[in-house]
Amino acid sequence: QSVLTQPPSVSGAPGQRVTISCTGSSSNIGAGYDVHWYQQFPGTAPKLLIYGNSNRPSGVPDRFSGSKSGTSASLAITGLQAEDEADYYCQSYDSSLSLWVFGGGTKLTVL
Amino acid sequence: EVQLVESGGGLVQPGGSLRLSCAASGFTFSSYEMNWVRQAPGKGLEWVSYISSSGSTIYYADSVRGRFTISRDNAKNSLYLQMNSLRAEDTAVYYCATVGFGDCFDYWGQGTLVTVSS
Repeated sequence: QSVLTQPPSVSGAPGQRVTISCTGSSSNIGAGYDVHWYQQFPGTAPKLLIYGNSNRPSGVPDRFSGSKSGTSASLAITGLQAEDEADYYCQSYDSSLSLWVFGGGTKLTVL
Repeated sequence: EVQLVESGGGLVQPGGSLRLSCAASGFTFSSYEMNWVRQAPGKGLEWVSYISSSGSTIYYADSVRGRFTISRDNAKNSLYLQMNSLRAEDTAVYYCATVGFGDCFDYWGQGTLVTVSS
């Protein structure tokens, strides 16, 4: 079981908006540690998508946005495109475990 | 352009050893903290180990502590992971990654596959 909980899968039609949740606890997200999001296509390395809860690295479309509240965070994708079909992971730091933690990952399917 | 290139993976028997390398270029390697992250086949991401820019601070996941050793050579722009007493559950693609803002992992290598099997 992952320390950060994500839904195993989400889906949406092209053009729609989808959100992926990442639920933690008082020792990680709730303790104020930043949440980061990664996108991974099959057979490739993860790529940083959102850092510091809501910041996009250069080159990431503004269709991707992140937010954080309490012990949870969310990744939102608007104007869904076929090329967004991938696995998405959230990540933070856990003070009780003293290590970096990932969510279990969410597979996004574009219908 | 930041580049991280892992090498050293392969097939090893249970109880065996491997040394992974990560060659860095395109940035000032000696200024960056580094991590190793692994991904078992069909599974999610798991943080493995961290090393500070100078190498003076090191952390390990419980699953590898006592068996794996992280190190770096800033003169050679290289990161290493010495893996001993390997187990079947260590089978995974191993990625090296730089530490960025807020402890995100901002650049990743392409990964190297380690298979532990008899």
